Amino acid sequence: AQTVTQSQPEMSVQEAETVTLSCTYDTSESDYYLFWYKQPPSRQMILVIRQEAYKQQNATENRFSVNFQKAAKSFSLKISDSQLGDAAMYFCAYRSPVTGANSKLTFGKGITLSVRP
Amino acid sequence: GAGVSQSPSNKVTEKGKDVELRCDPISGHTALYWYRQSLGQGLEFLIYFQGNSAPDKSGLPSDRFSAERTGGSVSTLTIQRTQQEDSAVYLCASSLGTSGRRRGGEQYFGPGTRLTVT
Repeated sequence: AQTVTQSQPEMSVQEAETVTLSCTYDTSESDYYLFWYKQPPSRQMILVIRQEAYKQQNATENRFSVNFQKAAKSFSLKISDSQLGDAAMYFCAYRSPVTGANSKLTFGKGITLSVRP
Repeated sequence: GAGVSQSPSNKVTEKGKDVELRCDPISGHTALYWYRQSLGQGLEFLIYFQGNSAPDKSGLPSDRFSAERTGGSVSTLTIQRTQQEDSAVYLCASSLGTSGRRRGGEQYFGPGTRLTVT
């Protein structure tokens, strides 16, 4: 079974600065998807960024980018030019590429990010 | 277009009562998932539906939990004889489906139902 570990429960960043959220995972599969989701106090889980394991290039979405290290099974999220609206809980998630219920997401415990004005 | 919707937003119930939670997935999404988010356990998978196939119930914590999906669209999660440990946020997600390895992969979540059992 796959596991996802987010070892930092909380982080804080100054507005306009850069912050990196860490995530490691364990799997025996060679192909898979990795995601970062954001959950603000409204509870709505919002997809931030997606990485396919077979792609060597790190995914980027505006101010959000990842550092995907497949051999190390590491998948960190970098948020540049942090904004107050980035304050939320962030979850790292793993998904097998297979069909069926194994397509479910396996989540880490999450990290609470606060942004200081 | 409309996203995933869930109702009710919040539900308070007495221990021992039955509750029904509803999920409306994104139109055209054939895969539907239920997850539970609690302080102690984090985010846990509960059940998965794909089209008209039999659901995968491998994540349901007890036989008090059941779910159905009518017409391949709306889903209802039912918890019978609720217990205090059932208190959690119940999240529903949908995706385009899992029939293709390079297809989609993203799951889109609803706002969740916060269930409180007193």
